[in-house]
Amino acid sequence: GEDVEQSLFLSVREGDSSVINCTYTDSSSTYLYWYKQEPGAGLQLLTYIFSNMDMKQDQRLTVLLNKKDKHLSLRIADTQTGDSAIYFCAESPDGGSQGNLIFGKGTKLSVKP
Amino acid sequence: DTGVSQNPRHKITKRGQNVTFRCDPISEHNRLYWYRQTLGQGPEFLTYFQNEAQLEKSRLLSDRFSAERPKGSFSTLEIQRTEQGDSAMYLCAGGRENTEAFFGQGTRLTVV
Repeated sequence: GEDVEQSLFLSVREGDSSVINCTYTDSSSTYLYWYKQEPGAGLQLLTYIFSNMDMKQDQRLTVLLNKKDKHLSLRIADTQTGDSAIYFCAESPDGGSQGNLIFGKGTKLSVKP
Repeated sequence: DTGVSQNPRHKITKRGQNVTFRCDPISEHNRLYWYRQTLGQGPEFLTYFQNEAQLEKSRLLSDRFSAERPKGSFSTLEIQRTEQGDSAMYLCAGGRENTEAFFGQGTRLTVV
């Protein structure tokens, strides 16, 4: 069945790079997403990648996609304390029309000063 | 601010009572989604609308749940005969086809 898996916790020091990993199951997913959720808040879309891309860079964020292994990663360069949040990976199993996103359980990123 | 507003932000209700939540997307959002998020989990899809038509419903949406979007603008999600297991954050998102979905702040429901 459809499933998205992420490690639950990541702790880094301020200024280091953070790498959050995700595996997904639906090879038909056209888009894959990273969302950020701060305490008590809704979800903020950070970035997304189209399935025919291997990499996408957006300022401090780099997304890597290994479609063969169904592995997605998010790298945050120069991590700041304001990056502390829960990061969700999500896939769109209905071919990219953005209905019915499947989310992972989220990775809680803690940034130590 | 995504422009998607949800009301109320918090709701405490007694088991067995009915509750209704409202979501107001921006006018450009012809798609509207409802998700449920329990503690320590990612959001789980419940249902979505294209304009006023409800196009997809998850198995999670039991017959106690009903959603409407009567004029293709705001939407309501009603839970009848609430149970403690319904306690969760209910998230609404608005968007258009093949574009990102913008999430509201959510309505946190506590059933006591």
